[in-house]
Amino acid sequence: EIVMTQSPATLSVSPGERATLSCRASQSVSRNLAWYQQKPGQGPRLLIYGASTRATGIPARFSGSGSGTEFTLTISSLQSEDFAVYYCQQYNYWPPGTFGLGTKVEI
Amino acid sequence: QVQLHESGPGLVKPSETLSLTCTVSGGSISSYYWRWIRQPPGKGLEWIGDIYNSGSTNYNPSLKSRVTLSVDTSKNQFSLKLSSVTAADTAVYYCARHSNDYYLDYWGQGTLVTVSS
Repeated sequence: EIVMTQSPATLSVSPGERATLSCRASQSVSRNLAWYQQKPGQGPRLLIYGASTRATGIPARFSGSGSGTEFTLTISSLQSEDFAVYYCQQYNYWPPGTFGLGTKVEI
Repeated sequence: QVQLHESGPGLVKPSETLSLTCTVSGGSISSYYWRWIRQPPGKGLEWIGDIYNSGSTNYNPSLKSRVTLSVDTSKNQFSLKLSSVTAADTAVYYCARHSNDYYLDYWGQGTLVTVSS
C-alpha cells in the first residue's frame, strides 16, 4: 500500500505570508497527486490535481509542484479564508487512492 | 454544478446497521465512480468503498465484511450500509465523485454518525 506522508503536521503562519506544505509518497505516483482543502464543518474541496493543475475556481495563489515521490503545495500570500487543513491524495494506484494525514495551517 | 448530499440517521446503536444515502444533483450518476469516505473525530480520511453506476464495487479490505454499497440510477442516489457497528465507527461520513482520472472532484458536506446506546 502506498503511504502518503505530509509535513509539517501543523504550520503556523501570518496572513500575507507564504506557506509551503509537503507531501511524500512511499513510492512513485507519477503526477497523479491531488490536494484538498478542508475547513471546519465542511467537506474537503479539490484544489489541485495532476500535481499542478488548479481546479475550477481555485485562486492563483495556490500552486502545486512535484512528481514521483515529492510534492509541494504553496500558498503564495495567505488570506484569512485559507486557514484550514490540507490533504494530499495519490490516485496513481486506485483503488484506494490513499490520503495523507493532513497539514493544519493555523494563524 | 454537481452537488452531493448525505442523509441518514445521526445515531445508531451498537451492533446495528448504519445506513446512509447520497443524493446527486446537478449531474447524472452515470459514467462515474462514486466513493464513501469517513473521518473519525479529529482524525484523517478513511476510504470505505467505491461504486460505479453499473453496480461494480471496490471495498476497503478492513471494512469489506461489513460494507454493502448500492446504486439507484433512477433516483440519482447511491447508498452505504455498514453492519455490526461499534463506537469505532463514529465518524463524519462523506460521499464524493471520482473524476475520470480518479481524483475526487465533488464532495458532500458530510454527516455525523454517532454509535451509542
